[in-house]
Amino acid sequence: AQSVAQPEDQVNVAEGNPLTVKCTYSVSGNPYLFWYVQYPNRGLQFLLKYITGDNLVKGSYGFEAEFNKSQTSFHLKKPSALVSDSALYFCAVRGNDMRFGAGTRLTVKP
Amino acid sequence: NAGVTQTPKFQVLKTGQSMTLQCAQDMNHNSMYWYRQDPGMGLRLIYYSASEGTTDKGEVPNGYNVSRLNKREFSLRLESAAPSQTSVYFCASTWGAGQETQYFGPGTRLLVL
Repeated sequence: AQSVAQPEDQVNVAEGNPLTVKCTYSVSGNPYLFWYVQYPNRGLQFLLKYITGDNLVKGSYGFEAEFNKSQTSFHLKKPSALVSDSALYFCAVRGNDMRFGAGTRLTVKP
Repeated sequence: NAGVTQTPKFQVLKTGQSMTLQCAQDMNHNSMYWYRQDPGMGLRLIYYSASEGTTDKGEVPNGYNVSRLNKREFSLRLESAAPSQTSVYFCASTWGAGQETQYFGPGTRLLVL
């Protein structure tokens, strides 16, 4: 079965600095990869996805993610973090069904 | 266009009680999903319905049943609630059952005493 690992429970960055939230995956066949964000007491919101094509995927709110097939990774990035980016971020992979990582809490400090 | 709606928002049950969580979507999506979210474990798929009239087990189906009432509605039933089912439950929907983006409801917070 497919699986996702988010190795960091927590990521702290200063406002204006670049941020990276890491994700590695395991799946048979072509990977369909997703990033979602969750704000307090809300459902998950879609940020971006990789299906095929360019390894660098651009998404909502200035986020992007880099697909690396050899390293089986799909790290989420943003060049300049905002305090409002503070939230819980989930990586997910689609195989027979959707599997989510445990989540990474991003805190951006002013 | 409300998207995905869930009722109730919050529920407290005693062990052994039953309840049904309701989910509805107004986006004409074919596929619907139920997840539970527990701290440190992310979201785990309970059941899904790829299309009206079909349902399939996900990663953690034990203790739950589902009904795809029509294209819009997908309910999750706990026949005999247990403390281990204390969680936040999310419903989601997609147009198809492949690589499409999932749209999530606001969640139901369930506490089983």
